Amino acid sequence: DSGVTQTPKHLITATGQRVTLRCSPRSGDLSVYWYQQSLDQGLQFLIQYYNGEERAKGNILERFSAQQFPDLHSELNLSSLELGDSALYFCASSEREGAETQYFGPGTRLLVL
Amino acid sequence: QKEVEQDPGPLSVPEGAIVSLNCTYSNSAFQYFMWYRQYSRKGPELLMYTYSSGNKEDGRFTAQVDKSSKYISLFIRDSQPSDSATYLCAAHGSSNTGKLIFGQGTTLQVKP
Repeated sequence: DSGVTQTPKHLITATGQRVTLRCSPRSGDLSVYWYQQSLDQGLQFLIQYYNGEERAKGNILERFSAQQFPDLHSELNLSSLELGDSALYFCASSEREGAETQYFGPGTRLLVL
Repeated sequence: QKEVEQDPGPLSVPEGAIVSLNCTYSNSAFQYFMWYRQYSRKGPELLMYTYSSGNKEDGRFTAQVDKSSKYISLFIRDSQPSDSATYLCAAHGSSNTGKLIFGQGTTLQVKP
């Protein structure tokens, strides 16, 4: 158990809908990262927050947004969902903003029908 | 071309074998290199972390980085069936962000 929690574990929804994925980092960690894992693209970095502020962005779609709250938990919002958004979404956390040691949560499996 | 390339395998070895997993990378700015292990339907688990070139050993695992050839390796000694998983190499170059670039992952099966 990495200490990072993610909810929900599974999510099934329809195209065009909007969902919110939630992540609680390990105690004491200030950085939160979101990754998407699909069969064809592998594990891809989406976005990083450090102590509430956006620090780095990957190839995150405009339909996706994230935020980190004062209690350091983070949410990833996915809107206007498409079939291709079906994937595993992982949250990771680390103590510092440039930390090389990131601890991953168990993931949320999203299925868009 | 992907910034981090990894042969997806699958790689099948008998129990007790020495396993060699490899990645290449193209970005010279990468300084931090990691190996993660991922069991099916689980989150990646950090195995090894290396800064710049050199070797690092932890139990049965040894990580090697050769920056001159842009080559990353993970060796597993005395492999066990419980080592069967997907192994992901990752890298990043900035001390200000933790944006990890992952390889595709190599699936390893250790047969008893």
